[in-house]
Amino acid sequence: EIVMTQSPATLSVSPGERATLSCRASQSVSGNLAWYQQKPGQAPRLLIYGASTRATGIPARFSGSGSGTEFTLTISSLQSEDFAVYYCQQCNNWPLTFGGGTKVEIK
Amino acid sequence: QVQLQESGPGLVKPSETLSLTCAVSGYSISSGFYWGWIRQPPGKGLEWIGSMYHSGSTYYNPSLKSRVTISVDTSKNQFSLNLSSVTAADTAVYYCGRSRAVDFWGQGTLVTVSS
Repeated sequence: EIVMTQSPATLSVSPGERATLSCRASQSVSGNLAWYQQKPGQAPRLLIYGASTRATGIPARFSGSGSGTEFTLTISSLQSEDFAVYYCQQCNNWPLTFGGGTKVEIK
Repeated sequence: QVQLQESGPGLVKPSETLSLTCAVSGYSISSGFYWGWIRQPPGKGLEWIGSMYHSGSTYYNPSLKSRVTISVDTSKNQFSLNLSSVTAADTAVYYCGRSRAVDFWGQGTLVTVSS
């Protein structure tokens, strides 16, 4: 099983600032990495798939990069609606596995 | 627009079987994609339970494999989850979703395991 590790667990950022979230895989997942955003009481929302492709309707301030075992989600200028928990997920191997999440909170 | 809707009991007794159904609209399950289940215990992260390809192949989380069955009813355009011998540790919000990178999610349904 591929273990996904996200860091940091919590990120305190001021509105308008840049946020950088990291995700590491215990073995290569090639480019088969997805990012999700989840707000309280809601289902997760797909942001990025294939490590760097934005899902339909996702604003350009969200960008993903990386391959192999190291991945990054960048939010270029945080808006109020971006404060949430973010999860990465590898889609390369069964079983599919999620990271533990990064909570982005208001500084 | 693709929509998924989970349904099933919100309360299950320990040792019994949890059964949920995901009704899909806006897309025919038999046309393609993986269809799967993910759960989230209260206050915790996401756990993949299993997925089924439109042709019927299934893949399960090894930690749950002995207790999980995912099946499809193409005539009703829905798929189901059965999780047997449940304990309090199976209390969670259960989501159904499309594809391995889940692009469409159900709204989730809370299942509590308690006597």
